[in-house]
Amino acid sequence: EAGVTQFPSHSVIEKGQTVTLRCDPISGHDNLYWYRRVMGKEIKFLLHFVKESKQDESGMPNNRFLAERTGGTYSTLKVQPAELEDSGVYFCASSQAHGPGEQFFGPGTRLTVL
Amino acid sequence: GQNIDQPTEMTATEGAIVQINCTYQTSGFNGLFWYQQHAGEAPTFLSYNVLDGLEEKGRFSSFLSRSKGYSYLLLKELQMKDSASYLCAVFPNDYKLSFGAGTTVTVRA
Repeated sequence: EAGVTQFPSHSVIEKGQTVTLRCDPISGHDNLYWYRRVMGKEIKFLLHFVKESKQDESGMPNNRFLAERTGGTYSTLKVQPAELEDSGVYFCASSQAHGPGEQFFGPGTRLTVL
Repeated sequence: GQNIDQPTEMTATEGAIVQINCTYQTSGFNGLFWYQQHAGEAPTFLSYNVLDGLEEKGRFSSFLSRSKGYSYLLLKELQMKDSASYLCAVFPNDYKLSFGAGTTVTVRA
């Protein structure tokens, strides 16, 4: 069974540019989560989808971040325009049920904004 | 907010035992996870505790005391491949994982 995959693994862009990150969850997992780890800090929650619906986007830093999950399969996270403080590792996770239980993580996308 | 504390770094010798402590203060509690993360890879699940006590799984064990807001991960018979970051994470009232900053364990020969 394939795990959670993320693309790209690394992205280096200049301040003001746009970047789109993609996450493919484990097949059949309705719940998809985005997290972010900035340098030296802990991993922090960004948002949660159940199928194609946003259940909780309380962790999104500001309106430069837009997440979508059309069709309830893969998800994208777009940053537009990117700022220096957006640099970090963006993780995606998925789970079968929303509640106590394992969330399966992808390897992350390392974003560097210059 | 949620507060989850764990040591930044630990070093141990191959074959030894290491205990990584985690204390938490969160708005509610629905379980505590330990994840292992090798550099550049996905965090991978090690254990989940929701009731007090010790959960043993091979060389790894995890303990929880809800009244003390405390957990530890015990790694026995350390191997070089155990060198990694170990993340303590809690489900507060909702099911958004709240993470500690991680403990980097270095295993030396």
